[in-house]
Amino acid sequence: EAQVTQNPRYLITVTGKKLTVTCSQNMNHEYMSWYRQDPGLGLRQIYYSMNVEVTDKGDVPEGYKVSRKEKRNFPLILESPSPNQTSLYFCATREAGRGTDTQYFGPGTRLTVL
Amino acid sequence: QKEVEQNSGPLSVPEGAIASLNCTYSDRGSQSFFWYRQYSGKSPELIMFIYSNGDKEDGRFTAQLNKASQYVSLLIRDSQPSDSATYLCAVKASGTASKLTFGTGTRLQVTL
Repeated sequence: EAQVTQNPRYLITVTGKKLTVTCSQNMNHEYMSWYRQDPGLGLRQIYYSMNVEVTDKGDVPEGYKVSRKEKRNFPLILESPSPNQTSLYFCATREAGRGTDTQYFGPGTRLTVL
Repeated sequence: QKEVEQNSGPLSVPEGAIASLNCTYSDRGSQSFFWYRQYSGKSPELIMFIYSNGDKEDGRFTAQLNKASQYVSLLIRDSQPSDSATYLCAVKASGTASKLTFGTGTRLQVTL
């Protein structure tokens, strides 16, 4: 089954404690990205990756890091989380070409930073 | 000014009616336009996308694009209670390979 998985699905942590949210896909898509979703602000892109070892900032990259060492994985790293990073996070992949242009979203990770 | 604007709703329509969801965007060079549906507590899923001016139909869904007016809409015919969700408009800007900018979404309620 084609899917995007994220772990953990729920996380409560404290300010300053480094954390990583993993994202993995089995669809062999080159493009992957991370979004955060906040009430009234919608989905905002944090970082994206066009391929292995190719990453770039989205609209709200401050406080986040990413890496793309292999095609299937795209972890999101919060080196020193702060309460304003409390949000719902989605990882997504993109399939484009031959009449299709679709982003597939993972199930989401709800993060609370105290 | 927000780059992609949607009325937050809720938009309430009776079962069987046509639901009309609207979206405006600010970047005149935008190339591709997408409608995603998001059920409460779930992740967004693509309904359809449109590139060219005019209408694009897929089952009960029709996307309409008017680039001159910077306006894209989604019509849902014969609305069903299962259509109750938040509908997100997304725009791929000019000069970007894949970056999407999302609106904040319109919540649709289909009543019995």
